[in-house]
Amino acid sequence: DVKVTQSSRYLVKRTGEKVFLECVQDMDHENMFWYRQDPGLGLRLIYFSYDVKMKEKGDIPEGYSVSREKKERFSLILESASTNQTSMYLCASGLMAGYNEQFFGPGTRLTVL
Amino acid sequence: SQKIEQNSEALNIQEGKTATLTCNYTNYSPAYLQWYRQDPGRGPVFLLLIRENEKEKRKERLKVTFDTTLKQSLFHITASQPADSATYLCALGGNTDKLIFGTGTRLQVFP
Repeated sequence: DVKVTQSSRYLVKRTGEKVFLECVQDMDHENMFWYRQDPGLGLRLIYFSYDVKMKEKGDIPEGYSVSREKKERFSLILESASTNQTSMYLCASGLMAGYNEQFFGPGTRLTVL
Repeated sequence: SQKIEQNSEALNIQEGKTATLTCNYTNYSPAYLQWYRQDPGRGPVFLLLIRENEKEKRKERLKVTFDTTLKQSLFHITASQPADSATYLCALGGNTDKLIFGTGTRLQVFP
């Protein structure tokens, strides 16, 4: 079974802190994604990576950056956390070349105070 | 801009009945459409994929239809059970590997 793990289930940070969210997948997938999920807004794509060191902006990249140094690991970085970044963050992975489902991690509930 | 609409109100049905969830979209011509299930506090789990040239897809008690003229997909769960209670998300895919997700519809099946 595909497994996508995220470093924390719950995280509480203060405004202005640098926050790292880590995601690891064990199925050798090329694609990895970071989403945030908010009530009434659904899942919104922050960043997408289709290969090591490759990244592409999603719909809401402002205030975030990403890193993919190894194929299995995709990190989301909040350079200076703000209260409007309080959300559920979901990582996903999938095979390249279309029509493929995405496999999601359990999510990290981030609260920025 | 692209827009996906799913019923924001919860769907409440009795056990044994068929649940039908709707996904409508505008300003987009997807190559395929996927449905996911999400339980509270968990990540979505893939259920079914249907391509633009397919009208209907089935998997056990699940059935999905895709009407590219109406720009609509219907998701049916037959003989619904309380264990089917969850939020169901539709997602559209095109010529990239990115998906556009709807906001989801919460289904509650009562015994």
